[in-house]
Amino acid sequence: AQKVTQAQTEISVVEKEDVTLDCVYETRDTTYYLFWYKQPPSGELVFLIRRNSFDEQNEISGRYSWNFQKSTSSFNFTITASQVVDSAVYFCALILNYQLIWGAGTKLIIKP
Amino acid sequence: DGGITQSPKYLFRKEGQNVTLSCEQNLNHDAMYWYRQDPGQGLRLIYYSQIVNDFQKGDIAEGYSVSREKKESFPLTVTSAQKNPTAFYLCASSMSVAEGEQFFGPGTRLTVL
Repeated sequence: AQKVTQAQTEISVVEKEDVTLDCVYETRDTTYYLFWYKQPPSGELVFLIRRNSFDEQNEISGRYSWNFQKSTSSFNFTITASQVVDSAVYFCALILNYQLIWGAGTKLIIKP
Repeated sequence: DGGITQSPKYLFRKEGQNVTLSCEQNLNHDAMYWYRQDPGQGLRLIYYSQIVNDFQKGDIAEGYSVSREKKESFPLTVTSAQKNPTAFYLCASSMSVAEGEQFFGPGTRLTVL
């Protein structure tokens, strides 16, 4: 089966804490892309990152960082020094056969 | 500004009526998609189109229909055959279906009374 699992349904932290959102995927393909999207309360999805299966370098963009580990089929997302504006639902996705396979999402709540 | 527009943002319909949701993009993207999202759930693919005059069923196409007569437009019709049409509908586009980076519209929240 080819799928994306986000085991954390909801995470709640206090502002300025670091938080990691987990994503585990399954695929038999050797070439694939992984994605993270953010869905704020307004509903519109915002693209955050794309990572191809041959590039295992971790990526950092400001307070956001991504840890891709092919050996464990994981693509985790860390927010450092979280802010209230980071509150949203975050989706991990995998492209396969030209379709995005979506995880169920993790709702992140950042309390002031 | 380039982007995707969906209208209206909120839509109410009586049970048994067909309703068409609009999706327009000016990004010059070949591929377009329709997703359904239910409360607290992830996205499920309804239909996608790789190119004008071509479209394929996604995971939950029953009760829906689409057309792709123009590159910029990909309207979705929710028919009376769709048993539970109340949901949040998101339209997206990408350069191609192989290009996973999809750009999303603001969504239409459909409520069937």
